[in-house]
Amino acid sequence: DAGVIQSPRHEVTEMGQEVTLRCKPISGHNSLFWYRQTMMRGLELLIYFNNNVPIDDSGMPEDRFSAKMPNASFSTLKIQPSEPRDSAVYFCASSFPGENEQFFGPGTRLTVL
Amino acid sequence: GDSVTQMEGPVTLSEEAFLTINCTYTATGYPSLFWYVQYPGEGLQLLLKATKADDKGSNKGFEATYRKETTSFHLEKGSVQVSDSAVYFCALSFSGSARQLTFGSGTQLTVLP
Repeated sequence: DAGVIQSPRHEVTEMGQEVTLRCKPISGHNSLFWYRQTMMRGLELLIYFNNNVPIDDSGMPEDRFSAKMPNASFSTLKIQPSEPRDSAVYFCASSFPGENEQFFGPGTRLTVL
Repeated sequence: GDSVTQMEGPVTLSEEAFLTINCTYTATGYPSLFWYVQYPGEGLQLLLKATKADDKGSNKGFEATYRKETTSFHLEKGSVQVSDSAVYFCALSFSGSARQLTFGSGTQLTVLP
């Protein structure tokens, strides 16, 4: 069975460039979560969706970050313009309706030079 | 607000040693409790969970018991292996449409041969 799929796995870009991270949740899951992981701040929830609708984006660090979920099988996290302090591993996770357990993707390691 | 506190790492043990990683939580009500594990270069995976007081979650030789009176969910394993080297996260979640996970800061475990 395919798990949560994220792309790209690694991204290296220069400051000021736009970055788009992609996530395909597990089929049948109706909740999707975006997390950021750094050594300094640990694992932070950025935003989550239920049934493609953003529920809580209070974790999004600033207006440079935006996330969309146009349908049940795809979500994007965009950073524009990117800054060196955005360098982190970004995880997407999804869960079944009515279940607490989240299934995580392998992550995208972002490096902003 | 809800929070999870884990013992500070890193933890270094010899193979076959006994492992305890402490986790306590603060929450209004009775959440479900989880341990997730993150192996190097990978996303988080659910290790075990417990949904009500006195429940014991277990998997791969790891155990944790939901203690309401001490608001704790300590992770234990009787004999660790080198392959258990990873970062361990304690987390909580409430039932409801959101089912957002609140994570602890993670504990790095290294097991030496």
